[in-house]
Amino acid sequence: DVKVTQSSRYLVKRTGEKVFLECVQDMDHENMFWYRQDPGLGLRLIYFSYDVKMKEKGDIPEGYSVSREKKERFSLILESASTNQTSMYLCASRTYPANYGYTFGSGTRLTVV
Amino acid sequence: AQSVTQPDIHITVSEGASLELRCNYSYGATPYLFWYVQSPGQGLQLLLKYFSGDTLVQGIKGFEAEFKRSQSSFNLRKPSVHWSDAAEYFCAVAGNRDDKIIFGKGTRLHILP
Repeated sequence: DVKVTQSSRYLVKRTGEKVFLECVQDMDHENMFWYRQDPGLGLRLIYFSYDVKMKEKGDIPEGYSVSREKKERFSLILESASTNQTSMYLCASRTYPANYGYTFGSGTRLTVV
Repeated sequence: AQSVTQPDIHITVSEGASLELRCNYSYGATPYLFWYVQSPGQGLQLLLKYFSGDTLVQGIKGFEAEFKRSQSSFNLRKPSVHWSDAAEYFCAVAGNRDDKIIFGKGTRLHILP
């Protein structure tokens, strides 16, 4: 089975800190995605990457950046964490061509205080 | 623009009863459709997908969904729910197989004993 591993299940950070959320997949998938999930808003796409060193903005990229230096790793960076970035963050990956939907990690619940 | 509507935020059914979760999509061509399930504290798991062909698709855990082009719907069904089916369910759409996926806001399913 494909595994998508998010390094932390729970994270508490202070306002203004730089925060790194790590995501690693073990099946050589080309495409990787970062979503945030909030009650009543569903999943919203932050950034995605179709291949190494490639990145594209999703629907809500403000306040975030990403890094994809290796195919298996896709990092989400909060340059200066704010309380409105408290959320559940979900990473997903997908092969190309895509015969299946995404494979998701278990999520990181980030609290910014 | 593609969009997905799940009209029911919460649904409660008794264990052993049948289930139907509604999903309507907006897209000009034939979309690629998905249903995902999220158990508490977990990432999303793919239940089933529709790319083409037979409009009734079977998925895991005894779920099925029917694509109805005339109604722009892709409703999820299960003949008899189990307590372990309590979760949040997301309908999703993509413009083509390799396009990024747009998620609905989810329907939370509660099971009465």
